[in-house]
Amino acid sequence: DIQMTQSPPSVSASVGDRVTITCRASQGVSNWLAWYQQKPGKAPQLLIYTASTLQSGVPSRFSGSGSGTDFTLTISNLQPEDFATYYCQQTNSLPLTFGGGTKVEIK
Amino acid sequence: QLQLQESGPGLVKPSETLSLICIVSGGSISSGTSYWGWIRQPPGRGLEWIGNIYHSGSTYYNTSLQSRVTISVDTSKNQFSLKLSSLTAADTAVYYCARAWGWLRPYDYWGQGTLVTVSS
Repeated sequence: DIQMTQSPPSVSASVGDRVTITCRASQGVSNWLAWYQQKPGKAPQLLIYTASTLQSGVPSRFSGSGSGTDFTLTISNLQPEDFATYYCQQTNSLPLTFGGGTKVEIK
Repeated sequence: QLQLQESGPGLVKPSETLSLICIVSGGSISSGTSYWGWIRQPPGRGLEWIGNIYHSGSTYYNTSLQSRVTISVDTSKNQFSLKLSSLTAADTAVYYCARAWGWLRPYDYWGQGTLVTVSS
C-alpha cells in the first residue's frame, strides 16, 4: 500500500496569510494526487485533482503542485471559510489511500 | 445535480453485520464511467477507503477489510450497498458514500455521511 504523509498536522494562521501544506507518498504516484477540504460535521469536498487541476467552483486562491512523491497545497490570502482540515489522496493505485490530514486553525 | 444519501442503522452490536445503502439521485448510477465508493472516518481521525463498485458489478476492496466487506449495486433502484461483517468497536465511524467520475479518479460527489456506532 502507498502511505501518504502530510505535514504539518496542524497550522495556525491569520486571515490573509499564505499557507502551505505538504504531502509525501511512500512511492511515486505520478500526478495522481487529489486534495480535499473538510469542515467539522461535513463530508470532504474535492479541491484539486491530478496534483494541480482546480475542481470547478473552487476559488483560485487554492493551488497545488508536485509530482512523483512530493506535493504541495497552497492557500493564498487565507479567508475565514478556509479554516478546515485538508487531506491528500493518491489515486495512482489500489488501495486508494489518504494522508492523515492537516488542520488549519485560526491564530 | 448529483446527490448521494446514506441510510442505515446508527447502532450495531459487536460481531454483527453492518448494512448501509447509498441512494443516488439526480443522475443514473449506470451512466458514463462513474465508480461508486464507500469511505469511512472514525471519530476525530482520518479517512479510510473501503472500496468501489462499477455499475457492472465489478468491485474493488481495501485489502485491510476485504475479508469482511461486500459492496453491491442495484441499478433498478439507483443505489449501491455496503455490508461489513464481524464488527468490533474499531469499526465505529462516519461512513460516506461517494462518486468518482472514472477509474482511479477522486471523489467529486459525497453523501453527508452516517455515524455508525458499534456497541452492545
